[in-house]
Order: sequence, then C-alpha cells, then structure tokens
Amino acid sequence: NAGVTQTPKFQVLKTGQSMTLQCAQDMNHNSMYWYRQDPGMGLRLIYYSASEGTTDKGEVPNGYNVSRLNKREFSLRLESAAPSQTSVYFCASKAGGGAKNIQYFGAGTRLSVL
Amino acid sequence: AQTVTQSQPEMSVQEAETVTLSCTYDTSESNYYLFWYKQPPSRQMILVIRQEAYKQQNATENRFSVNFQKAAKSFSLKISDSQLGDTAMYFCAFMKPYSGNTPLVFGKGTRLSVIA
Repeated sequence: NAGVTQTPKFQVLKTGQSMTLQCAQDMNHNSMYWYRQDPGMGLRLIYYSASEGTTDKGEVPNGYNVSRLNKREFSLRLESAAPSQTSVYFCASKAGGGAKNIQYFGAGTRLSVL
Repeated sequence: AQTVTQSQPEMSVQEAETVTLSCTYDTSESNYYLFWYKQPPSRQMILVIRQEAYKQQNATENRFSVNFQKAAKSFSLKISDSQLGDTAMYFCAFMKPYSGNTPLVFGKGTRLSVIA
C-alpha cells in the first residue's frame, strides 16, 4: 500500500527556474494538502483541496500555484523559484471529517533554490 | 485563528525513563481534534495519537498517552519507557471538526533525544 507518494525527493533549482512537485494518493481520499516545513517553524499550510476541481489558499500561498488534476493527484508549482522557497515540502491527504480526519503524509521533497 | 504553542524546543531523556512534552493551543471552538505527530530523522510524519475534544477520557496508544486539559487548553504527550527509536521531532497539531477539508495547524515542534 503506497499511501501518499511525492516526487521528486530532492531538487536543486536556480533562482527564477520553475518546477512542479507531484503528489498522488491511492487511498481514495477526498482532501489533499501541501505544507512547507522550515527550521524552527513547524509545518505551514500552502494550499489545500477539498475535492477534485476545488482549491483554497492556506497560510503561505504566495509564489505557488496548485492543480487538483483528479481525485488522486494534487500538484504544487513554483513558477519562478526564489531562495525563500528553499524548504521541505509535504503533501498530505485525508478521507473526510470526524473519525476519518487523520491526515497521512508523503515522505517530503527537499528543495533548495540557489 | 487557531494557534498551537510548544514551549520546549529541545528535550532529552534517558532510555527507559518517562518524558512529557508540552503543548498549549488557543481556540474559540468548543469541539475540535488534537494530534501528536512524530518526525524521525527519515523525515516521515507519523501519527502518534489523536484526541477528540468532546471526549473527557485521555487517549492512550501503548507507551504514549496524553493529558488533555480542555479548560486550560493544554495537551501534553507522555512517553513511558522511552526507547532510542523515540528520538525525533514531535509536533502538536490542532484541527477544527467541520467538513472534511479542514487542515492541521501545527506547533513549531519539540526535538526529543533519547540517551542510552
């Protein structure tokens, strides 16, 4: 059971380059999330998607775009990478609310922007 | 907006001893969920324990238990019989209980080192 799969695991970009972080889940979950983790800051929400075709901004959305391609996939795009976007990025998914509200995380993508 | 505070950036404990990690939160909600996640050096986020605010009984999972004090807005994690594999970052997190898309709000984490 793969759970939440993120690609790539590591990436180095130059300032101004663009890239897309991919996330896919095989648990038939409705909601998906993108977080970033910086030293001493915990995890902060970038964007989330309640269902296919819907997305909402989180705490730190500037410089990012997202696409909920289908129920399985939720991608995060950096159009013009900046050094401030150097971070570890986590994708997560959740089945629903109440008893199904546990979020499952991918293994993370470590991104360095030079 | 909800906030979660973990006041202990780093802690250490001897193997087989007991340690308690602190977490406080701020919310005007009456019903919500609280979580503790563990992040070992592998970077994977692993759910340790979950507490529903409307349940008075403290959650327990094997060596892990919580002390949930709703009035004080406190949610501490107790690890008994600490093991070397418990060495990790621990994050406290809050979630509103509404529809399925509510995200987690995390604290900044506590780095726990278990010493042999």
